[in-house]
Amino acid sequence: QVTLKESGPVLVKPTGTLTLTCTVSGFSLSDVRMSVSWIRQPPGKALEWLAHVFSDDEKLFTTSLKSRLTVSKDTSKSQVVLTMTNMDPVDTATYYCARVNIVSYKFDYWGQGALVTVSS
Amino acid sequence: DIQMTQSPSYMSASVGDTVTITCRASQTIPNHLNWYQQKPGKGPNLLIYSASSLQSGVPSRFSGSGSGTDFTLTISGLQPEDFATYYCHQTYRAPWTFGQGTKVEI
Repeated sequence: QVTLKESGPVLVKPTGTLTLTCTVSGFSLSDVRMSVSWIRQPPGKALEWLAHVFSDDEKLFTTSLKSRLTVSKDTSKSQVVLTMTNMDPVDTATYYCARVNIVSYKFDYWGQGALVTVSS
Repeated sequence: DIQMTQSPSYMSASVGDTVTITCRASQTIPNHLNWYQQKPGKGPNLLIYSASSLQSGVPSRFSGSGSGTDFTLTISGLQPEDFATYYCHQTYRAPWTFGQGTKVEI
């Protein structure tokens, strides 16, 4: 059974750094067919893809946030970590991680999401 | 970046209706297009991948078509549980962009 679960702070102060962890089960982060993306959704708004890490550790980032994002994985712990610096209230959103089957590039399993609020 | 434009943004429908949602890419994306359903308070659920392939476990009333820049999601015989927001998503070229969503309401 494939599951993904996001964990991290509920509240972040403006200018602070957000660190979110995605813990996966049911597949291995070393499986060349599988990888993990991060996506966010501000309240009442559309989905926005943020970042991706492949099994070989290649990474991709969205253009507008590239300078603020890092993504890493720890295969032994089955975890993918997203870091976003210089947080602003507009970054308030539900953050999701999703498994990506790169045979067809389908996001086939999603976590439940983690709501992060940026406020002083 | 590739822009994805869905239409309509909102639609009102009834149980039993056939619903069509369109998605247009700002440049060609062959068939690298996925469709997701999202219900309030829940994460997205994959319906269609590679433009027309039905994800395992998804009812056959959902279908997808198109290639290049123009794509459609069709729901044939809308069911009460289908009232939700639908998103298209291109995975042809990073950044992998989503459409703005189509809310299907009664």
